[in-house]
Amino acid sequence: NAGVTQTPKFQVLKTGQSMTLQCAQDMNHNSMYWYRQDPGMGLRLIYYSASEGTTDKGEVPNGYNVSRLNKREFSLRLESAAPSQTSVYFCASSEERQGRNQPQHFGDGTRLSIL
Amino acid sequence: KQEVTQIPAALSVPEGENLVLNCSFTDSAIYNLQWFRQDPGKGLTSLLLIQSSQREQTSGRLNASLDKSSGRSTLYIAASQPGDSATYLCAVRPPGTYKYIFGTGTRLKVLA
Repeated sequence: NAGVTQTPKFQVLKTGQSMTLQCAQDMNHNSMYWYRQDPGMGLRLIYYSASEGTTDKGEVPNGYNVSRLNKREFSLRLESAAPSQTSVYFCASSEERQGRNQPQHFGDGTRLSIL
Repeated sequence: KQEVTQIPAALSVPEGENLVLNCSFTDSAIYNLQWFRQDPGKGLTSLLLIQSSQREQTSGRLNASLDKSSGRSTLYIAASQPGDSATYLCAVRPPGTYKYIFGTGTRLKVLA
């Protein structure tokens, strides 16, 4: 099983450029998440999607947009990249069912540098 | 506002030692708590998930405990090995949300 696949693994952008980070999971999970990880700040939730067709803001949504394309795919878009968005971005998925706690599965991350 | 703290930030131990990693949280109302392992340049791997109604979970040499009233969880690693070297993170999920709040992690180095 591939689990959670993120593309690209590395990217360098110039300030003001746009790009989309892709995430796909093959575990038939209903919930998907985007986090950013910065030194000394842990992981912070950007957006999440509880199910296909729904998205909600997390802790740090400003400057980002998301699309839950289908059950498998959840993309993160930076419309006008800023140096403050230099970070490592992680996508995660989990199966959420009422009364059942399920662990989150993470991709290997996208390392994004904005000059 | 829920906050999660992990102390110490880094820890070095000789191989074979039993060790305890600590996680504290400010609001005792949680849905569950997860412990994760992160290797350099990699994503997070879930190690143990403790539901709010549970006191502990075990997997192999790992044991995680949860004391909601005191806002604490510990991850016990028995007979540590160099392969256990990684960063360990805990995360709590408040009730009624899908969101997890992460600590900043403890970077563990097990010396051969």
